[in-house]
Amino acid sequence: DVKVTQSSRYLVKRTGEKVFLECVQDMDHENMFWYRQDPGLGLRLIYFSYDVKMKEKGDIPEGYSVSREKKERFSLILESASTNQTSMYLCASSWYRDQETQYFGPGTRLLVL
Amino acid sequence: AQTVTQSQPEMSVQEAETVTLSCTYDTSESDYYLFWYKQPPSRQMILVIRQEAYKQQNATENRFSVNFQKAAKSFSLKISDSQLGDAAMYFCAYRSAVETSGSRLTFGEGTQLTVNP
Repeated sequence: DVKVTQSSRYLVKRTGEKVFLECVQDMDHENMFWYRQDPGLGLRLIYFSYDVKMKEKGDIPEGYSVSREKKERFSLILESASTNQTSMYLCASSWYRDQETQYFGPGTRLLVL
Repeated sequence: AQTVTQSQPEMSVQEAETVTLSCTYDTSESDYYLFWYKQPPSRQMILVIRQEAYKQQNATENRFSVNFQKAAKSFSLKISDSQLGDAAMYFCAYRSAVETSGSRLTFGEGTQLTVNP
C-alpha cells in the first residue's frame, strides 16, 4: 500500500513565525502536491511538483513556498505565518503513469495565533 | 479554468438506504477525468471511484456508482445499501487529460454525509 505521511497532525504557531510542513511518500511517486482545506471551499491547490527540484504554482501560492530536494519528500514553507493561514493542510502524491490517482496523507491542522 | 460545484453541503441517509450526491462542473475541454473522494474523520482522503470522460459507460465500484451526464456536465455519486462506515465528507474532483496541465485536481466544496442507524 502507498503511504503518505505528514510530520505533524496538529501544529500551533505564532504570527510571523516560519513554519515547515513535511510530507514523505514511500512509493517513488514523481508527483507531489500541497493543498489546503477550508470549510465551504473544499481543497485548493497551493503548489505541486512533478520531479525533484521542480515546482509549479497552484491556485493559491501567495504566502507559501515549497522545496523538493529528494523525490520522496516535499516540504511546504510558510515564510511568515499569518492568521489567515490557519487551515488543514493535505499532502498528496501520484505516479506519473497513473496521474489521476492521488494518494493523500492524513493532514496537518495548523493554528496560527 | 475548470470549476467543480457541489450544491449539497450536507446530506443524510438511513442505514441500508440509497443516497445520491450531486456534482456539476464547468470545462471547455472534451477529454478529462472525474473522481469522487471520501474523507472520513481521520482526514485521510480515499479514492472512491473515477470516470473517464471518453467512456459512455458509468463507472461502478461495489455499492458505489456514478451517473455521468457529459452534455449536462453532471457527475453524481450513488451509494447503495448505505453503511455506517460510509459517513464522511465526499469530494467531487476534476482532472484535465491534457498533458501540459500536469496532474492537478480541481475539487468541489464537499458534501458531508451522515448515515443514521
